[in-house]
Amino acid sequence: GAVVSQHPSWVICKSGTSVKIECRSLDFQATTMFWYRQFPKQSLMLMATSNEGSKATYEQGVEKDKFLINHASLTLSTLTVTSAHPEDSSFYICSGTETDTQYFGPGTRLTVL
Amino acid sequence: DAKTTQPPSMDCAEGRAANLPCNHSTISGNEYVYWYRQIHSQGPQYIIHGLKNNETNEMASLIITEDRKSSTLILPHATLRDTAVYYCIVRPSFYNQGGKLIFGQGTELSVKP
Repeated sequence: GAVVSQHPSWVICKSGTSVKIECRSLDFQATTMFWYRQFPKQSLMLMATSNEGSKATYEQGVEKDKFLINHASLTLSTLTVTSAHPEDSSFYICSGTETDTQYFGPGTRLTVL
Repeated sequence: DAKTTQPPSMDCAEGRAANLPCNHSTISGNEYVYWYRQIHSQGPQYIIHGLKNNETNEMASLIITEDRKSSTLILPHATLRDTAVYYCIVRPSFYNQGGKLIFGQGTELSVKP
């Protein structure tokens, strides 16, 4: 299957700082990428749909000014958590679509102190 | 999107077949059945998908009932490494509605020695 990478795999930051997470499709071009968030013992929750060259579409209840998404190329999407707070601590996972199937990255564990 | 119902947990003996059921009684004609699994603290892994016909790949088999209201994922010879949460998701073709995946709670499969 297609391979998606994420960087960093984990990050710890202080409250009030911003954190950028990269999502790359390594062996395919992803016109559309998705960002999910997962809290402990819960299922994945879709945050936004990222389309190359256009603005992201956010799910209801997700603050677009807090979670900035940039999809500048067919192989890279970034999620920036701005002014992070402890409640933003979570597991962030991205995915890219190839031939009608979504392939997921390994996830990024964010801890905000 | 159609909702799915899965048992919250199942056990399986190592080496035996694991049969994971999924109910999707409100599935529409253009919706596919996708299966993913998530091993602890990793991103979801694509397993298999189908529309009407039964499907098989190197990982698993997917059996869809004739009325398409339910399906079963079969892992033919479960190993300890198959211990994971398995998600059954139905969605339209990517080209139809952008391919969003909405995750439910899934089935936690425990493979025991």
